[in-house]
Amino acid sequence: EIVMTQSPVTLSVSLGERATLSCRASQSVSTNLAWYQQKPGQAPRLLIYSASTRATGIPARFSGSGSGTEFTLTISSLQSEDFAVYYCQQYNNWPPRTFGQGTKVEIK
Amino acid sequence: QLQLQESGPGLVKPSETLSLNCTVSGGSISSRSYYWGWIRQPPGKGLEWIGSIHYSGTTYYKPSLKSRVTLSVDPSKNQFSLKLTSVTAADTAVYYCARQGDVWGYWGQGTLVTVSS
Repeated sequence: EIVMTQSPVTLSVSLGERATLSCRASQSVSTNLAWYQQKPGQAPRLLIYSASTRATGIPARFSGSGSGTEFTLTISSLQSEDFAVYYCQQYNNWPPRTFGQGTKVEIK
Repeated sequence: QLQLQESGPGLVKPSETLSLNCTVSGGSISSRSYYWGWIRQPPGKGLEWIGSIHYSGTTYYKPSLKSRVTLSVDPSKNQFSLKLTSVTAADTAVYYCARQGDVWGYWGQGTLVTVSS
């Protein structure tokens, strides 16, 4: 099973600042990596797939990068609606389909 | 627009079986391109994939849950289902159904299932 590890667990950021979230895979997943955003009481929403491709309707301030075992989600200028929990997920080898434990982005 | 909706009891007694349905609208469950899956989230915790099923009946389960999980699909109702046997308090979670391509592009709103006597 591929283990996904996200860091940090919590990220405190001010409005308008840049946020950088990390995700590490226990073995290479190529670029078969997705990012999801989850707000309280809501289902997760797909943000990024293939490590760097934004899903339909996702603002350009969200960007993804990386390949192999190291990945980054960057939010270039945090808006109030971006405070949420972010999960990475690999789909290179399955089953199982594994998620990271999440990074909570909170207001500083 | 594809929509998924979970349904089922919100309260299940310990040792009993949790049963949920997911009804798909705005698209066909009988697509060769997609699997249909279940993901759960215990209160305050992260996301856990439970299993996925293709309309043909092919299934994949999380190994640690495999002995207790059964997924089924009913193309005539555009619906798929989850059964989880011998539940304990550790199975208390919000259960989501979702469409699986390479990624989970469409999700249901989720349903909270509490295991308690």
